[in-house]
Amino acid sequence: AQTVTQSQPEMSVQEAETVTLSCTYDTSESNYYLFWYKQPPSRQMILVIRQEAYKQQNATENRFSVNFQKAAKSFSLKISDSQLGDTAMYFCASMTSGTYKYIFGTGTRLKVLA
Amino acid sequence: GAGVSQSPSNKVTEKGKDVELRCDPISGHTALYWYRQRLGQGLEFLIYFQGNSAPDKSGLPSDRFSAERTGESVSTLTIQRTQQEDSAVYLCASSSGTGNLAYNEQFFGPGTRLTVL
Repeated sequence: AQTVTQSQPEMSVQEAETVTLSCTYDTSESNYYLFWYKQPPSRQMILVIRQEAYKQQNATENRFSVNFQKAAKSFSLKISDSQLGDTAMYFCASMTSGTYKYIFGTGTRLKVLA
Repeated sequence: GAGVSQSPSNKVTEKGKDVELRCDPISGHTALYWYRQRLGQGLEFLIYFQGNSAPDKSGLPSDRFSAERTGESVSTLTIQRTQQEDSAVYLCASSSGTGNLAYNEQFFGPGTRLTVL
């Protein structure tokens, strides 16, 4: 069975600093996608970044980037120049290619401090 | 509308009562998903619609849960004889439903927080 593990329940970072959120996953599939979602207090899940497992290059989206270590089954999220609006729950998730079911981790609550 | 909407935003009900939760997906999106999020947890898949059909109901936790979709648009999740363990946020998402579903971004609504007393 696929699993996604986020071992940091809570983290905090000073505004403008950089923070890294950890995620490990386990899957026997060869084709899959990995995701980071942000859930602010409004509850709406927002896609932050997505990585196709067959791509060796790490995905980046503006201040957000990932460190994808396929052999180690690790998929961490780096947030640079943290902003107060980054305060939210962050969920790591996996999905097998050709399917539609996310496997979510339990989340990391990130607080950006002014 | 511009995004996925859900109603009500919050629902408080008594144990044993039935509740209906509504989801309005993005116009033109044929794929629609329901998820449950218990306190402090990630999302659990409940059901997937392609058009008005539900090819995958595998996530529905019991026969008290059912869902339907009409006009390839609005979907309703119904929970009968609610129990306290049903308390959670219920999230709906939609996607274009074409090609590789894993590649198509799912757009989420703000969810309905259900509290069963």
